[in-house]
Amino acid sequence: GENVEQHPSTLSVQEGDSAVIKCTYSDSASNYFPWYKQELGKGPQLIIDIRSNVGEKKDQRIAVTLNKTAKHFSLHITETQPEDSAVYFCAAISGGGGADGLTFGKGTHLIIQP
Amino acid sequence: DVKVTQSSRYLVKRTGEKVFLECVQDMDHENMFWYRQDPGLGLRLIYFSYDVKMKEKGDIPEGYSVSREKKERFSLILESASTNQTSMYLCASSYPSSSYNSPLHFGNGTRLTVT
Repeated sequence: GENVEQHPSTLSVQEGDSAVIKCTYSDSASNYFPWYKQELGKGPQLIIDIRSNVGEKKDQRIAVTLNKTAKHFSLHITETQPEDSAVYFCAAISGGGGADGLTFGKGTHLIIQP
Repeated sequence: DVKVTQSSRYLVKRTGEKVFLECVQDMDHENMFWYRQDPGLGLRLIYFSYDVKMKEKGDIPEGYSVSREKKERFSLILESASTNQTSMYLCASSYPSSSYNSPLHFGNGTRLTVT
């Protein structure tokens, strides 16, 4: 089955700096890669996703890049703000399966230092 | 906005008790899921359901069962609670059935402590 590795487990950055969270996956058939953000006391929420036919996707201050050859994808947050403090999860899934096939990374706790 | 409501935010139960965790969604989603979240282990799928009366085992179903009598409600049952089931439990829903790129909508979680 799919295995998703996520690094780092904790990331502390100064407000205004950029943050990068990296994930690798094992199943070359995986073709959909969502990112979820979990704020304190809440459930995870989808913030951005990317399909395998796209190398990069941006949405305001966040972007995701995908390298299919190397089987890794990354979340980039620019101009970090206090509200970016949260736990971030990457995930991967193969097409044709239901959402039960979604495999999550173990999460990154992002801390924005004032 | 989709709302997934978990009936309890915190629960404290004793070892051996039968525990019910309830989840209700208001968007007519076909798919519903129960995950367990533990530090350093991420999110692990316990059970899921793609239709009323339907249930399938996820990655860690041992010690759990589920019930889906109505489309909007998905219950997680701990038949005999044990201390190793102390965890945060997250319910999620999505649509349409068997669509991998339909985002999961999560509830805010139930933190269960078994003593």
